Amino acid sequence: GDSVTQTEGLVTLTEGLPVMLNCTYQSTYSPFLFWYVQHLNEAPKLLLKSFTDNKRPEHQGFHATLHKSSSSFHLQKSSAQLSDSALYYCALSDGNNAPRFGAGTKLSVKP
Amino acid sequence: GGIITQTPKFLIGQEGQKLTLKCQQNFNHDTMYWYRQDSGKGLRLIYYSITENDLQKGDLSEGYDASREKKSSFSLTVTSAQKNEMAVFLCASSRGFSSAETLYFGSGTRLTVL
Repeated sequence: GDSVTQTEGLVTLTEGLPVMLNCTYQSTYSPFLFWYVQHLNEAPKLLLKSFTDNKRPEHQGFHATLHKSSSSFHLQKSSAQLSDSALYYCALSDGNNAPRFGAGTKLSVKP
Repeated sequence: GGIITQTPKFLIGQEGQKLTLKCQQNFNHDTMYWYRQDSGKGLRLIYYSITENDLQKGDLSEGYDASREKKSSFSLTVTSAQKNEMAVFLCASSRGFSSAETLYFGSGTRLTVL
C-alpha cells in the first residue's frame, strides 16, 4: 500500500538559515504529493501540492519538487522565519485510496 | 469559504465508556475523513466516507465506529475507551475523492481517558 516517510521528527534551526524537510513515498500509482502545516492550537492546512505538469509549487516562500525517480517531495525555504515554527506533514493521495500522511516534522526556528 | 466544526473540543471519559465525536462541514463536500493524531505517529486514518451513503474503514478502525448521518455531518464513536488513552481526533473533508483534492481540517477533539 501507499506510505509516506518523514525521517526527521524535530528540526531546530536559527532564523535566516535555509530549511529542508524530507519526504519520501511509496505508491503503486502516480500520486499527488502535499505538504500541510499545523501551527500550535490550529487545524492543519494545505501549504502546497504537486502539479501534474511538474511545475514547482510555491507558497509563502516554501517550495517543493516532485522527483519521481527518487520518490521524493522535499520541502524547502531559503530563509527560515520565526513564524515558520510549526508541525509539517507530507501526504500522498492516489485517487484509489484515502490520503496517507507521514509522521510529521516539527520545525522550531530560534532567533 | 467554509468551515469544519468539531464538537466537543475536549472530551474526558472513563475506561470502557462509549464516546461520540461529531463533525460538521459547510463546504458541501462529498468526502469526509476521521484521522487520529498522535505525537510522532502522524495522522492515521480511522474511517472515511466517499459520498453521503458510503462508509469505509481505514488503517486504524478497530475500536471505532463511524456514521455519515447526512452530507454535512460525520460522527465517530469510540466503542470502549482505553484507560490512559490520549489523542487528538481530526475530521477533514474534500470536494471529492480524486487524487488532486485538498483536505480541509477541523481543529480537533482532544480525548483523555481516565
